[in-house]
Amino acid sequence: NAGVTQTPKFQVLKTGQSMTLQCAQDMNHEYMSWYRQDPGMGLRLIHYSVGAGITDQGEVPNGYNVSRSTTEDFPLRLLSAAPSQTSVYFCASSYNVRGYGYTFGSGTRLTVV
Amino acid sequence: DQQVKQNSPSLSVQEGRISILNCDYTNSMFDYFLWYKKYPAEGPTFLISISSIKDKNEDGRFTVFLNKSAKHLSLHIVPSQPGDSAVYFCAAPRDFGNEKLTFGTGTRLTIIP
Repeated sequence: NAGVTQTPKFQVLKTGQSMTLQCAQDMNHEYMSWYRQDPGMGLRLIHYSVGAGITDQGEVPNGYNVSRSTTEDFPLRLLSAAPSQTSVYFCASSYNVRGYGYTFGSGTRLTVV
Repeated sequence: DQQVKQNSPSLSVQEGRISILNCDYTNSMFDYFLWYKKYPAEGPTFLISISSIKDKNEDGRFTVFLNKSAKHLSLHIVPSQPGDSAVYFCAAPRDFGNEKLTFGTGTRLTIIP
């Protein structure tokens, strides 16, 4: 039972480059989310999905795109990387049960130079 | 605006004693709250939750207390163990009726042997 798998674990990008952070879960969870963690700011929601084909914006969506074509996968795309996007990114998934805790992946540490 | 606040960035506690982590919130419509624990280089792990219809929820060494009139919740760990050293986040759904979570900025707990 792999849970939530994120790839890559580390990435260095040049300003202006694009890339996709991958996230897959094998628990048949309806909900999936992307968060970024920055020092002193906790975890901030980037984008969110309640099921295949349905996505919504979170607190800090600018510069990021998502899609959810399957229940299992929820990739996060950086369109044109900026130094402000240097962060640790976490993908999470959950059942559609009120108060059920999210399962998080181990994170992707992204540096934009 | 920060709807969930953890005002203590760090806390040190002797092994075997009680650890108390605090969290304040501003939105009286929050109907449940969660606590997550995070070790370095790992994703957050769901620890315990509490519904707003309760004032206490217990799971082994972990107890969460909710004071709705003060808009305050706390996590008690008794007895504290070295493996409890981690960053603890409290979280609540951003809007009533959905599962988008907003997180506090976290408290780093250090258990002193």
